[in-house]
Amino acid sequence: KQEVTQIPAALSVPEGENLVLNCSFTDSAIYNLQWFRQDPGKGLTSLLLIQSSQREQTSGRLNASLDKSSGRSTLYIAASQPGDSATYLCAVYGNQFYFGTGTSLTVIP
Amino acid sequence: GAGVSQSPSNKVTEKGKDVELRCDPISGHTALYWYRQSLGQGLEFLIYFQGNSAPDKSGLPSDRFSAERTGGSVSTLTIQRTQQEDSAVYLCASSTQGTGDGETQYFGPGTRLLVL
Repeated sequence: KQEVTQIPAALSVPEGENLVLNCSFTDSAIYNLQWFRQDPGKGLTSLLLIQSSQREQTSGRLNASLDKSSGRSTLYIAASQPGDSATYLCAVYGNQFYFGTGTSLTVIP
Repeated sequence: GAGVSQSPSNKVTEKGKDVELRCDPISGHTALYWYRQSLGQGLEFLIYFQGNSAPDKSGLPSDRFSAERTGGSVSTLTIQRTQQEDSAVYLCASSTQGTGDGETQYFGPGTRLLVL
């Protein structure tokens, strides 16, 4: 059974810092990996989708990498802002979604 | 206990027809979410229910899309006058309270919709 783990569970950084969130998964037989943002009272917002054949995806200040063979993905956030404060989830999709445990990010103004 | 179930698992329809998709959340979960995933796209949020009310309908792509939830349980997503671009996997999820702060959302298996 696929297991997805995220480290750290919580992170607090001052505004402007660059940061990295980590995601690891146990079964490399995946179609894609997605990074999501979760805000209170909202559904999930998809940030980046990496297909299994891809190595990375970029959107604005966000960059996600995927190393399928080692079962790892990272989400890099450049020049963090208070508006980036949220819970970040990674999920792999094989025959269904498997979600990580999430990283709660707080960016301090 | 049973997880989130969705029906039908697959639906093929002709352009212009209406379709109704059903979601049965985990018993006792007050929050229910509808998403869709088009081919090669990330998960797209459609609508969120807290009990029977929908505080956030911002994700519905057009007025052809509507959803309701009755009795704080089953939800139906209705697409009227379907278009080919509506073809996607429609996913339903539920969570205990819908607080959003890392609360786990449990996903159903999805309904794969194909509009010809």
